[in-house]
Amino acid sequence: SAVISQKPSRDICQRGTSLTIQCQVDSQVTMMFWYRQQPGQSLTLIATANQGSEATYESGFVIDKFPISRPNLTFSTLTVSNMSPEDSSIYLCSVTQGLPGANVLTFGAGSRLTVL
Amino acid sequence: AQSVAQPEDQVNVAEGNPLTVKCTYSVSGNPYLFWYVQYPNRGLQFLLKYITGDNLVKGSYGFEAEFNKSQTSFHLKKPSALVSDSALYFCAVRDNQAGTALIFGKGTTLSVSS
Repeated sequence: SAVISQKPSRDICQRGTSLTIQCQVDSQVTMMFWYRQQPGQSLTLIATANQGSEATYESGFVIDKFPISRPNLTFSTLTVSNMSPEDSSIYLCSVTQGLPGANVLTFGAGSRLTVL
Repeated sequence: AQSVAQPEDQVNVAEGNPLTVKCTYSVSGNPYLFWYVQYPNRGLQFLLKYITGDNLVKGSYGFEAEFNKSQTSFHLKKPSALVSDSALYFCAVRDNQAGTALIFGKGTTLSVSS
């Protein structure tokens, strides 16, 4: 399965700033996703990162707050904009090789953001 | 709409005893079902999945899960728990007719005591 590297692994940010998280995969993958795991809660899908086009956002998430790029088949970024303490979460990149269907999602180790 | 329920926030078992972590689901089509485990400060690791066929699926680390269509359940089991099994377990479902999203349950913390 693919190996995913996420940067940064953790960060402490000030309210009102923005932070970009990088996701690098060691092989070409069909689909890349960004999830959020808030403290003590489950994973929530933010968006599907589409190569060469705008990401597909889930209900409750918007591009202005969470701009996503995916310039090629191995790399994606998620920006958390104008952060507030409510954005303190673990952000997880995940991928599938092939169409999702029955395929397993592979996850990165996550980026733990704390917003003060 | 797809949904997953894990009714127990925490499951406590003694080492050597069997364990069960419960999961029920709701989808409009046929489900693809998954179990993941998350150890502290680490990403999610895939344990096992049910796609079709035999209702009992076997996965990593001696875990297995039983698909029950009539009860819309996919409970995770292990015959003999280890202290090292202590972690956060997530059940997830994807509807084969509803696109790509994998929907996760809220997670169940498994605590195995020695």
